[in-house]
Amino acid sequence: GQQLNQSPQSMFIQEGEDVSMNCTSSSIFNTWLWYKQDPGEGPVLLIALYKAGELTSNGRLTAQFGITRKDSFLNISASIPSDVGIYFCAGPDVKTSGSRLTFGEGTQLTVNP
Amino acid sequence: SAVISQKPSRDICQRGTSLTIQCQVDSQVTMMFWYRQQPGQSLTLIATANQGSEATYESGFVIDKFPISRPNLTFSTLTVSNMSPEDSSIYLCSVERRDWEQFFGPGTRLTVL
Repeated sequence: GQQLNQSPQSMFIQEGEDVSMNCTSSSIFNTWLWYKQDPGEGPVLLIALYKAGELTSNGRLTAQFGITRKDSFLNISASIPSDVGIYFCAGPDVKTSGSRLTFGEGTQLTVNP
Repeated sequence: SAVISQKPSRDICQRGTSLTIQCQVDSQVTMMFWYRQQPGQSLTLIATANQGSEATYESGFVIDKFPISRPNLTFSTLTVSNMSPEDSSIYLCSVERRDWEQFFGPGTRLTVL
């Protein structure tokens, strides 16, 4: 199936800093989803992107659907301690039928107060 | 979004036994999904469960090991059979609400001794 590569694998930042992470694929995706997983919880959907070039915000979070359709970016502005968690990108596996999602390996974010 | 609950939230089991995990959704959904998340890893789809038909399993997962039931449009169960320590993972159910957007339950944390 398709694979999604996320970078960086982990980030250690100070409270108040901005964060940027990305997700790339060798093949085209028609949808990009960004999830956050808090420790001990299931992933929560943050942002969904459906059009190449689309830029969507959700509070301090902004995500972009890359113009090539092979990448997506998630930015967090003015980080706070509750931003700690693992951020996953995901997209539908268009090479197979059904509604399967392919998930990236995740970016572990640590915010130091 | 969707309100999804899972039971149990965690369990510690002995090798060779089986555990059935329940997933309850607050409204009717066509497709439900079961994922496994091994320690420190991303999410891996086990199977897709549609009401009224047999579950569709992903490569590497078989019905004898992970039997799934889907008796109605709001409920599903996943059984982890003949468990070994390698089955220690978080097991997550999810539902699709619209256009690939999946919403996850809180997960079941399984430890096999």
